[in-house]
Amino acid sequence: DAKTTQPPSMDCAEGRAANLPCNHSTISGNEYVYWYRQIHSQGPQYIIHGLKNNETNEMASLIITEDRKSSTLILPHATLRDTAVYYCIVRVDLGGSYIPTFGRGTSLIVHP
Amino acid sequence: ETGVTQTPRHLVMGMTNKKSLKCEQHLGHNAMYWYKQSAKKPLELMFVYNFKEQTENNSVPSRFSPECPNSSHLFLHLHTLQPEDSALYLCASSQDRTLSSPLHFGNGTRLTVT
Repeated sequence: DAKTTQPPSMDCAEGRAANLPCNHSTISGNEYVYWYRQIHSQGPQYIIHGLKNNETNEMASLIITEDRKSSTLILPHATLRDTAVYYCIVRVDLGGSYIPTFGRGTSLIVHP
Repeated sequence: ETGVTQTPRHLVMGMTNKKSLKCEQHLGHNAMYWYKQSAKKPLELMFVYNFKEQTENNSVPSRFSPECPNSSHLFLHLHTLQPEDSALYLCASSQDRTLSSPLHFGNGTRLTVT
């Protein structure tokens, strides 16, 4: 099953781009990469997902390398409200059930 | 507003009490999940329901008993819990269990067992 590796913490200045990396070297060809974030005392919030192509929505951009072994979540203009734990996950195949399995994520602190 | 509502937001219970956590989703999804988040630990999957049928039980102790009467509602019945069961209990839903279906989480129930 595919697993992900993320740095435990990062920081970013307000107004600058936050680039959060994720390694998923054992990802299978049909597995999607998902990103969620969790602000303190709230449930995780879905951000974006992708398979092969780069994706963009109103929250973020997702850049997936050509070999699909890593990806980067980009918050183009980080704000203080983007301070959260960011999870990169690949849905794990449990014998036909594709279950999202969370790791420890990256704690992003956006400072003034 | 996430579309997934959990009640209560906070719950304190003794080890001999029986209580229930409730989750309701208004997204028309067919799959629902219970996760546990203990302090300093990753989210742990507990149960998965798909079209009201339980499809995953991640070796959860029997003092936790899920119930899914329909695709919109999910309960977690609690009895004779231990202090180490204190955690944030999160409910989530997804359109289905395919690879391209994101999860939508509620804001959780913060449970304290005394």
